[in-house]
Amino acid sequence: DAMVIQNPRYQVTQFGKPVTLSCSQTLNHNVMYWYQQKSSQAPKLLFHYYDKDFNNEADTPDNFQSRRPNTSFCFLDIRSPGLGDAAMYLCATRSRGGQETQYFGPGTRLLVL
Amino acid sequence: QQQVKQSPQSLIVQKGGISIINCAYENTAFDYFPWYQQFPGKGPALLIAIRPDVSEKKEGRFTISFNKSAKQFSLHIMDSQPGDSATYFCAASIGGATNKLIFGTGTLLAVQP
Repeated sequence: DAMVIQNPRYQVTQFGKPVTLSCSQTLNHNVMYWYQQKSSQAPKLLFHYYDKDFNNEADTPDNFQSRRPNTSFCFLDIRSPGLGDAAMYLCATRSRGGQETQYFGPGTRLLVL
Repeated sequence: QQQVKQSPQSLIVQKGGISIINCAYENTAFDYFPWYQQFPGKGPALLIAIRPDVSEKKEGRFTISFNKSAKQFSLHIMDSQPGDSATYFCAASIGGATNKLIFGTGTLLAVQP
């Protein structure tokens, strides 16, 4: 059974056209993360939620926003995608209860034309 | 000081051989060291993890060796199989509410039949 689900798996958008990526989880985990991963690179943390508390990484561009309406869902909004934003976007979750393991979703591949 | 250095960048091993990937860190506050396996087009999946109070952990064909004094840890894949061909990331984190993972740069492993 899928635990961390990301939709869509592939997303094509136009330069400057807002796009939203979604993540849902069936694990009831408190912490949710969004990562950006470019080709042949390690995942780069953009931000995370600890319950409803939003934590932005210092070097995450303002172009990237996030929403977490409830425990199960989290959204990544890219307000004005540039060519450099083409990447795999990964969602991950973790339980608050002392477990360090992050469970990753399959990712959404974003292409910017 | 937050970096995790990983080597080699790529590795070719014959089927049945031993694959060895090395990582080094500086921050002695790190207390959790996972290895993730990532297949093309998929999200990273936890392979095995270790804490600094243990020098070795083995799960099946996968072993982590940890040298706290040298601030190094390594992944050994015994009897490597073509199905092990993937990118491997080491990571480190500091326990706590955030538990952000600091990833190494990744190693692309190819196991030749």
